[in-house]
Amino acid sequence: KAGVTQTPRYLIKTRGQQVTLSCSPISGHRSVSWYQQTPGQGLQFLFEYFSETQRNKGNFPGRFSGRQFSNSRSEMNVSTLELGDSALYLCASRSSGVTTEAFFGQGTRLTVV
Amino acid sequence: QKEVEQDPGPLSVPEGAIVSLNCTYSNSAFQYFMWYRQYSRKGPELLMYTYSSGNKEDGRFTAQVDKSSKYISLFIRDSQPSDSATYLCAMSGREGAQKLVFGQGTRLTINP
Repeated sequence: KAGVTQTPRYLIKTRGQQVTLSCSPISGHRSVSWYQQTPGQGLQFLFEYFSETQRNKGNFPGRFSGRQFSNSRSEMNVSTLELGDSALYLCASRSSGVTTEAFFGQGTRLTVV
Repeated sequence: QKEVEQDPGPLSVPEGAIVSLNCTYSNSAFQYFMWYRQYSRKGPELLMYTYSSGNKEDGRFTAQVDKSSKYISLFIRDSQPSDSATYLCAMSGREGAQKLVFGQGTRLTINP
């Protein structure tokens, strides 16, 4: 079956702009989480959605937001982009809210110039 | 101090060697421990998942957890060039908790 699909794969934006990233989880999976990966900080948890509700949020500013649709697809939005937002953004899906095994997508590489 | 510490390497070993990768952590609430492998330009792939202390073996991979020392390890036997990747440890405090806390990752190269 198809894996986790993230679009777009690469993105270049200018400081101050906003960006929306998309994640389609594995078919049947209801939990989607987002992570930011940078060389300096590694993988950091952004937020988790389950059945359209945000269940957990990491320590990121309010410029980072997300949502989940009824078909479990998720989007994350970053407003007023800063240079430090340049990173690989990874989406992970799980089949339910109690399993731990998470399947990651290939990520969206965001560059802010 | 980070909750999870992992030597970023790089680590380079000859093909066939036994590789040992390690992480230490400070949060005693962590109960679930995972190892992910990440190839260049790919997302992390789950290799091993263990609960509490003990060993788990899967083919050439063995994961060890020592909660008393707050120390986890991943051993790779008969290493292959295809094992060259970045290895990330991750942990969480309760089953299902999606807030995984990751180590920095160790870049491993297996030389033919």
